Amino acid sequence: NAGVTQTPKFQVLKTGQSMTLQCAQDMNHEYMSWYRQDPGMGLRLIHYSVGAGITDQGEVPNGYNVSRSTTEDFPLRLLSAAPSQTSVYFCASSYSSGNQPQHFGDGTRLSIL
Amino acid sequence: DQQVKQNSPSLSVQEGRISILNCDYTNSMFDYFLWYKKYPAEGPTFLISISSIKDKNEDGRFTVFLNKSAKHLSLHIVPSQPGDSAVYFCAASYSGTYKYIFGTGTRLKVLA
Repeated sequence: NAGVTQTPKFQVLKTGQSMTLQCAQDMNHEYMSWYRQDPGMGLRLIHYSVGAGITDQGEVPNGYNVSRSTTEDFPLRLLSAAPSQTSVYFCASSYSSGNQPQHFGDGTRLSIL
Repeated sequence: DQQVKQNSPSLSVQEGRISILNCDYTNSMFDYFLWYKKYPAEGPTFLISISSIKDKNEDGRFTVFLNKSAKHLSLHIVPSQPGDSAVYFCAASYSGTYKYIFGTGTRLKVLA
């Protein structure tokens, strides 16, 4: 069982470039989410999805797009990268019934120059 | 507006002693609380959780206490071990939202 797999692990972008952070899970979890972790800020929810075709915004959605075409995959798109989006990004998944703890990937460290 | 707060950025404890990590919240709608542990260069891993209908939940060396009137929860680790050295995050959610709000984390260092 791979769990939650995030690719790439590291990425450096120039301001204005776009890119997609990939997230895949093999646990048949309905719920998937994206967080960013910044120093002194904890983890902040960007977007989440409760199933294929359903997405919603979290606390800090601006500058990011998501889609959920399959249960397994939940990519995060940066439309036009800005230095303020330099962060570590975590993808997580869980069952959506009742209160369920999330399983996290190992993160993508993104630097925007 | 920080709805979940961990006011101690760091904590050092001797091996074998008790570690107590604290978390405060402001939203009385929260009804599910979790603790995660995070090692460097890894994602957070789930440790223990508690529903608002309980005031205590135990799992081996880890116990979480919930004081709803004070809007406060704490994680007790007894006895502390060097392998417990990590950053600990508390998180909260309320039913039907699927939104988890995390605290800023406390770095625990267990000294051998």
